[in-house]
Parts: sequence; structure tokens; C-alpha cells
Amino acid sequence: ELKVEQNPLFLSMQEGKNYTIYCNYSTTSDRLYWYRQDPGKSLESLFVLLSNGAVKQEGRLMASLDTKARLSTLHITAAVHDLSATYFCAVDLHSGTYKYIFGTGTRLKVLA
Amino acid sequence: ETGVTQSPTHLIKTRGQQVTLRCSSQSGHNTVSWYQQALGQGPQFIFQYYREEENGRGNFPPRFSGLQFPNYSSELNVNALELDDSALYLCASSSPGGTANYEQYFGPGTRLTVT
Repeated sequence: ELKVEQNPLFLSMQEGKNYTIYCNYSTTSDRLYWYRQDPGKSLESLFVLLSNGAVKQEGRLMASLDTKARLSTLHITAAVHDLSATYFCAVDLHSGTYKYIFGTGTRLKVLA
Repeated sequence: ETGVTQSPTHLIKTRGQQVTLRCSSQSGHNTVSWYQQALGQGPQFIFQYYREEENGRGNFPPRFSGLQFPNYSSELNVNALELDDSALYLCASSSPGGTANYEQYFGPGTRLTVT
């Protein structure tokens, strides 16, 4: 069974600090996705990582993928309050039938 | 370019009733996926429709069913509602294999409350 785990589940950090969120998945997957969700809102797509070694950056967020280790990271550089949200990673599988599995989520709070 | 829309925004139903939720895909997208997100949880994959056929399903019972129409809009139907069906229901559209690189675009969601 495909499982996707994130850590930490909760993260409280000071503005200006750096931190990394980790996403581990249990079986070979084609793609790795990162999303942001604000309270009471829908999901916003941040990154789609398509291959081993892929790295994408947008503003203060950088995502990377290591398919051999089945690990993706979301690195936050010099955090600002506006980054406070819940971040989800997800993977999808095409193995006879299609499945899409989200991680447990990381609730990030950036303190001013 | 029109984004993904869902209706209704909020819905209150009684246990045992049936509900239909609707989703209009983003222009040019031929694939729709549905998710259930309980409060404080991550989204759970219900199923995906590609060109009007179901091509993937999560661990949801048969009382969760769907349709995709020729214009690629979609419906999620839930029969015999249970209290645990209370959740935010999200649909997402995508265009696999195209320049979108499988990126999913989510609608605003429908908040379903079952009493």
C-alpha cells in the first residue's frame, strides 16, 4: 500500500529562519507534488517534480526530489509570516489503475 | 481562461439522504479528480475521470459514484449519507500528457455537513 509521510506535522518558526519539510513515500511513484492550503481554503499547486534530482524554486520555497531515496524536501528560506499555511506533498501512481495519495500535511506557523 | 468551479459552496443534508456535487473543469482539461478532506486531515482521493471513464479509485465504497460529461464537467454522487461523510469535497482538473505536466488545479470546494 502506498503511504506518504511528512515531517514535521507542526512547525513553528521565527521570521527570517530557514527550515526543511520532509516527504517520504513508500513505493515507486511517477511524480511528486507540493501544495499549499490556507485555513478554510482550497489547495494551491506549488511544484510538480517529474524526475530524480529535480529541483524547483519559487520565491522563498525550493523543492527537490530523490526518487532513489523516495524522498522530497521543501526548503523554506528566510521565512516570512505570509508563508504560514499547511503544506502537503502528494504522489501519484499509474499501476493498472490510477491513484493519488496525499501526505499527512505540515502545519507551518511563522512568528513575527 | 476560466478556473475550476464547484457548486454548491455549502450543503447540509440529513443522514440517509443522497447528494450530488458538481464541478466544471478548467478550459482545455480532460481529466477530473475528486477528493474528500475531513477537518484537520489531508485530502483523500475518491476517484478520477478521464474522457468520461473512471480510470482510478481510492478506498471509498460504491455509494460514492461519479460521472464526467462530454464537456468534461463532472458530478460526484453520494448515496445513503453517513455522519462521517461530512467534509470538504474538492475537485481538480488536469490535462495529463500536455504542457501542464500533470499539474492539478483545484476548485474552491463544497462543504458538506451531514446531520
